[in-house]
Amino acid sequence: SQQGEEDPQALSIQEGENATMNCSYKTSINNLQWYRQNSGRGLVHLILIRSNEREKHSGRLRVTLDTSKKSSSLLITASRAADTASYFCAPRGGSNFGNEKLTFGTGTRLTIIP
Amino acid sequence: DSGVTQTPKHLITATGQRVTLRCSPRSGDLSVYWYQQSLDQGLQFLIQYYNGEERAKGNILERFSAQQFPDLHSELNLSPLELGDSALYFCASSVGGQLQETQYFGPGTRLLVL
Repeated sequence: SQQGEEDPQALSIQEGENATMNCSYKTSINNLQWYRQNSGRGLVHLILIRSNEREKHSGRLRVTLDTSKKSSSLLITASRAADTASYFCAPRGGSNFGNEKLTFGTGTRLTIIP
Repeated sequence: DSGVTQTPKHLITATGQRVTLRCSPRSGDLSVYWYQQSLDQGLQFLIQYYNGEERAKGNILERFSAQQFPDLHSELNLSPLELGDSALYFCASSVGGQLQETQYFGPGTRLLVL
């Protein structure tokens, strides 16, 4: 398992605007997952994108994956106050059975200003 | 609600003491993961169990031990406690064994060591 590096570290936008955050990783992956953490609470799984996929949507979320650049981005459209949270990416590679652990970076702290 | 339960929610104790954190995975999930989140270390993987057996080990200190019981619940024991063990401890579960599985996180146990 490898660690993803999220960028930027912090992002503040007005409610209704779109938020984009990025994730870079170092070695080849099987899939990449995005998680959200509201302050001091457990992580919530947002979306999983496989290495053979380029784009995936889930509601207001859009995730892209560029394996040639070893990077992914998470776009949240029409942001709401409830989107205020930290966002983490978790790239995963290697074989099954023993590599399922998630390794997190420092995350992107997103603040939505009402 | 992820379906993963953790008890207790909060714990305040003293250095040198012993605590046991408990986790019940989602129904049907065979894998349990423990993570520690602290201000200086971020979110770190500690250990994974699959159907009662240890499957992967991360940054778990020798003072910590864990196990998964036949009913699949898991316990994380920390002893003797040090000030630096103050952190949020999360348990997550998944069906087990596959890289593309989602991990579902519990609400966490907040440990404060005085």
